[in-house]
Amino acid sequence: ETGVTQTPRHLVMGMTNKKSLKCEQHLGHNAMYWYKQSAKKPLELMFVYNFKEQTENNSVPSRFSPECPNSSHLFLHLHTLQPEDSALYLCASSQDPGVNYEQYFGPGTRLTVT
Amino acid sequence: ILNVEQSPQSLHVQEGDSTNFTCSFPSSNFYALHWYRWETAKSPEALFVMTLNGDEKKKGRISATLNTKEGYSYLYIKGSQPEDSATYLCASRTDYKLSFGAGTTVTVRA
Repeated sequence: ETGVTQTPRHLVMGMTNKKSLKCEQHLGHNAMYWYKQSAKKPLELMFVYNFKEQTENNSVPSRFSPECPNSSHLFLHLHTLQPEDSALYLCASSQDPGVNYEQYFGPGTRLTVT
Repeated sequence: ILNVEQSPQSLHVQEGDSTNFTCSFPSSNFYALHWYRWETAKSPEALFVMTLNGDEKKKGRISATLNTKEGYSYLYIKGSQPEDSATYLCASRTDYKLSFGAGTTVTVRA
């Protein structure tokens, strides 16, 4: 166990649904991240939060809306997604966003948009 | 090199044999190079973070080297065991962003 949990592990949603992904870290870290891995593509950074403040939005469409209420929790709110948004969504945390800090990943949420 | 590239994409190795594979990354604006191991149905797990040219790191039978001037890192697995079967990801750090390669999938045959 890495100390980072994600729920749900699997999610199937229609294009008109609204759903949320949840991430929680029990490591006392200050930085949290959302990544997307589409089929046969590298992990792609979506958002970075440091001390609850968003510091990076990697040109992510507005149908993905992150929320970080505290340093331990990170949400990804999803609405009006497209089938091409089907992917594995990984959450990660690190001590801070500094270059020397390794990231600890959750197990991911496998999202299917129908 | 504009992106992080890993080669080969996959490899098979006999148990007990040693192997190595490559990560290439842009050498400009380089801050750090991360290696992660990702076993099927598990979370990616950090192996190494390296920042200095010539860095060498070791964890058990796995080691890595870094050349920041030419933009490459090697990961070595000595005496491969079945539990080493995984996808090995490298990621290059620039500013706040980690850019990942597509990974090298290692399968160790008993």
